[in-house]
Amino acid sequence: AQSVTQPDIHITVSEGASLELRCNYSYGATPYLFWYVQSPGQGLQLLLKYFSGDTLVQGIKGFEAEFKRSQSSFNLRKPSVHWSDAAEYFCAVTSYGGATNKLIFGTGTLLAVQP
Amino acid sequence: EPEVTQTPSHQVTQMGQEVILRCVPISNHLYFYWYRQILGQKVEFLVSFYNNEISEKSEIFDDQFSVERPDGSNFTLKIRSTKLEDSAMYFCASSRTGGFEDTQYFGPGTRLTVL
Repeated sequence: AQSVTQPDIHITVSEGASLELRCNYSYGATPYLFWYVQSPGQGLQLLLKYFSGDTLVQGIKGFEAEFKRSQSSFNLRKPSVHWSDAAEYFCAVTSYGGATNKLIFGTGTLLAVQP
Repeated sequence: EPEVTQTPSHQVTQMGQEVILRCVPISNHLYFYWYRQILGQKVEFLVSFYNNEISEKSEIFDDQFSVERPDGSNFTLKIRSTKLEDSAMYFCASSRTGGFEDTQYFGPGTRLTVL
């Protein structure tokens, strides 16, 4: 069965520092991968997604992610973090094992940004 | 930008009571979903719905749960007799085509507390 692991439950970075949030997936075929962000009181907002092609994908808010098949990873990066990036980040993979495209989520990484 | 809305934002109920969580998906979307997140755990798929029928449901979605699209705009999740373990954040989502690459747009969630 497909699964997603986000090893870091909580990360704190300083404003202006670079960020990398880790995501590992377990799936045999080429996965459809997503990163969502949830700010307090908001829904899950899509940051970016990967299906095929260029393994480095660009998203909104200056985020990017790189798909590495050899490492089963899809890590999210941002070169310079802003205070408004403080939120919870979820990695997800589309599950094929059913009638519809349900998402399988990781446990999320809570990002705190220090001034 | 169109968005998914959910009401109420927070619902408190007594064990054994019925609750109805409401969602208004994006207007031209055809596929609808409910997910939930128990505090500290992963976001989990509950059910998907298309063409006025359940497309797929998870093991969590037992006979106590039902979904309905009572009119052209609302999508509801009913829990017939709530249990303590139903306490969670419930997210509604919608997508246009239901394809594996299609983006699911999420609402802000309803926090259900069962006492």
